[in-house]
Amino acid sequence: DGGITQSPKYLFRKEGQNVTLSCEQNLNHDAMYWYRQDPGQGLRLIYYSQIVNDFQKGDIAEGYSVSREKKESFPLTVTSAQKNPTAFYLCASKQAEWRGGRSDTQYFGPGTRLTVL
Amino acid sequence: AQSVAQPEDQVNVAEGNPLTVKCTYSVSGNPYLFWYVQYPNRGLQFLLKYITGDNLVKGSYGFEAEFNKSQTSFHLKKPSALVSDSALYFCAVKGAEGGANNLFFGTGTRLTVIP
Repeated sequence: DGGITQSPKYLFRKEGQNVTLSCEQNLNHDAMYWYRQDPGQGLRLIYYSQIVNDFQKGDIAEGYSVSREKKESFPLTVTSAQKNPTAFYLCASKQAEWRGGRSDTQYFGPGTRLTVL
Repeated sequence: AQSVAQPEDQVNVAEGNPLTVKCTYSVSGNPYLFWYVQYPNRGLQFLLKYITGDNLVKGSYGFEAEFNKSQTSFHLKKPSALVSDSALYFCAVKGAEGGANNLFFGTGTRLTVIP
């Protein structure tokens, strides 16, 4: 799990609530990613950021929002618009493409398991 | 379009026997290929990657993978399986020269090593 931390480990949300998942890294990576993992579906990309103050939608961005105000931090907010948010959420980081990091490895945090009550 | 297929949801192997976890990919141009392992309720751990050069790549915990361009495959192998190798394994790909900047993951293969 390296230098990437995610909190909390477990999170419970009531219907209609927004919740924010934390992701912090001390690897000096410019690029950060959020994935959602569901059984039998592998990892699906929610949002990614290649540099501070910039981020891009992934394949399943609807109902999620992010910010990238600091290089070390990339929080994910699961909004009430996300219809089925119960899943395991994984954050990752790597050296950015624009720094020549196209072949670099993505390193993952330990994950947050979100359950909707 | 980039994609990865892991044709087996589940692989069972006896302890001490060789193991193979299969992966095939589709990408424009040359690929960068990765294998990750995931233990229950944990993040993904990097095992190995192919960038260029020797088709046989050696990685962590005695794992290796062979890049086969003609068959567009990158199967993960280990000569002698351990019970502790039991986990979920993911193959991932991205194009080397262009296209999307993110990794595309397979759906995972659950490996069970039987004592």
